[in-house]
Amino acid sequence: EPEVTQTPSHQVTQMGQEVILRCVPISNHLYFYWYRQILGQKVEFLVSFYNNEISEKSEIFDDQFSVERPDGSNFTLKIRSTKLEDSAMYFCASYSNYGYTFGSGTRLTVV
Amino acid sequence: AQKVTQAQTEISVVEKEDVTLDCVYETRDTTYYLFWYKQPPSGELVFLIRRNSFDEQNEISGRYSWNFQKSTSSFNFTITASQVVDSAVYFCALQETSGSRLTFGEGTQLTVNP
Repeated sequence: EPEVTQTPSHQVTQMGQEVILRCVPISNHLYFYWYRQILGQKVEFLVSFYNNEISEKSEIFDDQFSVERPDGSNFTLKIRSTKLEDSAMYFCASYSNYGYTFGSGTRLTVV
Repeated sequence: AQKVTQAQTEISVVEKEDVTLDCVYETRDTTYYLFWYKQPPSGELVFLIRRNSFDEQNEISGRYSWNFQKSTSSFNFTITASQVVDSAVYFCALQETSGSRLTFGEGTQLTVNP
């Protein structure tokens, strides 16, 4: 069964550093997303990406965040200058008419 | 605006008991999709079901069943004869239009004790 792959599974970074979270969505899906889950809380939408541009973003997705699809397969989330409150699990997802599939997540810890 | 409410924060049952997880949603759209996901302690989100708003038939998959009641805006999930491996956080989610964001509920922590 097709999967959404996320790397790395865990990342520890120092406050103020830039991080890039990587995702390989399912190849024939057209919509891509990033979600965030702070420990013990619900899953929150960050941004959706369709046709090589952002189609929707939440209020959480401020200027610190950016997304890219640099080639035909990867989908990245960049956090420019990490803050302690960016510590969370970040999930990538992709969507087709047949389903909404999440990757296994990247646990980001900002120290 | 769309909203999903899972009023049960935590449920604890003994193995082999049946358990129902409640989900109530709000949306102005007439076409929408409802989802359930399981999040085990390992952290991944495991897809369980997607239901179109036009399909009100209840669904059964093994020990899992779902009751969709459009009149009360509810999409409840029942586990029959629960097992320890069912212990997880369960999330209900709403998607208003195809391709759009998912709005998640707060989740219900289910603990099944031996």
